[in-house]
Amino acid sequence: QSALTQPASVSGSPGQSITISCTGTSSDVGSYNLVSWYQQYPGKAPKLMIYEGSKRPSGVSNRFSGSKSGNTASLAISGLQAEDEADYYCCSYAGSGTFVFGTGTKVTVL
Amino acid sequence: QVQLVESGGGLVKPGGSLRLSCAASGFTFSDYPMSWIRQAPGKGLEWVSYISSGSNYKGYADSLKGRITISRDNAKSSMYLQVNSLRAEDTAVYYCARGVVVAGSNSDAFDIWGQGTMVTVSS
Repeated sequence: QSALTQPASVSGSPGQSITISCTGTSSDVGSYNLVSWYQQYPGKAPKLMIYEGSKRPSGVSNRFSGSKSGNTASLAISGLQAEDEADYYCCSYAGSGTFVFGTGTKVTVL
Repeated sequence: QVQLVESGGGLVKPGGSLRLSCAASGFTFSDYPMSWIRQAPGKGLEWVSYISSGSNYKGYADSLKGRITISRDNAKSSMYLQVNSLRAEDTAVYYCARGVVVAGSNSDAFDIWGQGTMVTVSS
């Protein structure tokens, strides 16, 4: 159950697109199409943004999209807005009722 | 409205124990799997434990296995986490979270989170 690897920080200007990677192993990300992504503002609880790799819950902007290739999942944010500045975490099911989170990425809107 | 409220956190001495509670409202609690997730101050999220809707399936993080027990009482719409032999590194905000269920199937994600309860382990 080692944490999934994410870049510590990603930045972009308003209107630009950014991508956050989430690298795991063949035991978690690579084995299941069950990667989820969460947005967290300081002092607040996380919010689900993507589940099952690419599905958006009701109410989440279509500027957020998810994908996966092999052992790496990705979250893309298009049309970057000031309100997107937050921490983002990926999470993968890892079998036997266990989960593993990513190390987290701080998104900065320049 | 759909809500999760954690309680039971506080200041505990190393070696002590705590029982955290999560009270659910606004949805049929017995239909959903639940999890505990924690976040140490200034650090990332760490999944702690999972329990299926009927309590027949449980999962624990390797880092805490042997020291924690998850349980739920569907009649009371509540979930619990017993943590024993507390260490300084257990200091964190502990969140309870609802598992995503779509068309009756678990999607292994967390769609509703509580506000968290702070556990501080210090002498």
